[in-house]
Amino acid sequence: EVQLLESGGGLVQPGGSLRLSCAVSGFTFDNYGMSWVRQAPGKGLEWVAGISDSGGSTYYADSVKGRFTISRDNSRNTLSLQMSSVRGEDTAVYYCASHPFALFWGQGTLVTVSS
Amino acid sequence: EIVLTQSPGTLSLSPGKRGTLSCRASQSVSSYLAWYQQHPGQAPRLLIYGASTRATGIPDRFSGSGSGTDFNFTISRLEPEDFAVYYCQQYEKSPITFGQGTRLEIK
Repeated sequence: EVQLLESGGGLVQPGGSLRLSCAVSGFTFDNYGMSWVRQAPGKGLEWVAGISDSGGSTYYADSVKGRFTISRDNSRNTLSLQMSSVRGEDTAVYYCASHPFALFWGQGTLVTVSS
Repeated sequence: EIVLTQSPGTLSLSPGKRGTLSCRASQSVSSYLAWYQQHPGQAPRLLIYGASTRATGIPDRFSGSGSGTDFNFTISRLEPEDFAVYYCQQYEKSPITFGQGTRLEIK
């Protein structure tokens, strides 16, 4: 059974940092590119960042470039998103998903940016 | 970035009817287009990739067509569980982008 389990969400102050993780099982992790996709409350889907299967290439939405860093550990089947200098508009449910189209999805973790 | 415009914003139909959703890209995405379904409180689910290829386990009442800039997604005969929000996504060029979604509601 394919499972993607996100963790690390919570309340963070504007300007602060947070690290999200996604533990993957049930498929050959290092055969797939991976992404983070977010959804603000009541809004649509927004792709945030992607990483190639080897980790050698990374891609970012302009809205997070320079603030967020995507990474992966293929030995531990784990995807991460380091979020820095967060803003109110980063408040969302963050999903990890396969890339470039999302065959596999996690259930999401909520990040709330507020003072 | 490539902008995807979905229409209509909301589609009201009765179970058993046929529904067609559209997605238009601001520039060609070839066939690098996917469609997702999302129910409230749930993660999205991949239905179609490559513009017309159904993902594993997706019923054949769901179909996709188009290439370049104009795409359609059709549900041939609506079941109660099909009422949800549908998103298109292009993955031809980074940044990957999604359409704003079409809400399919029960009439």
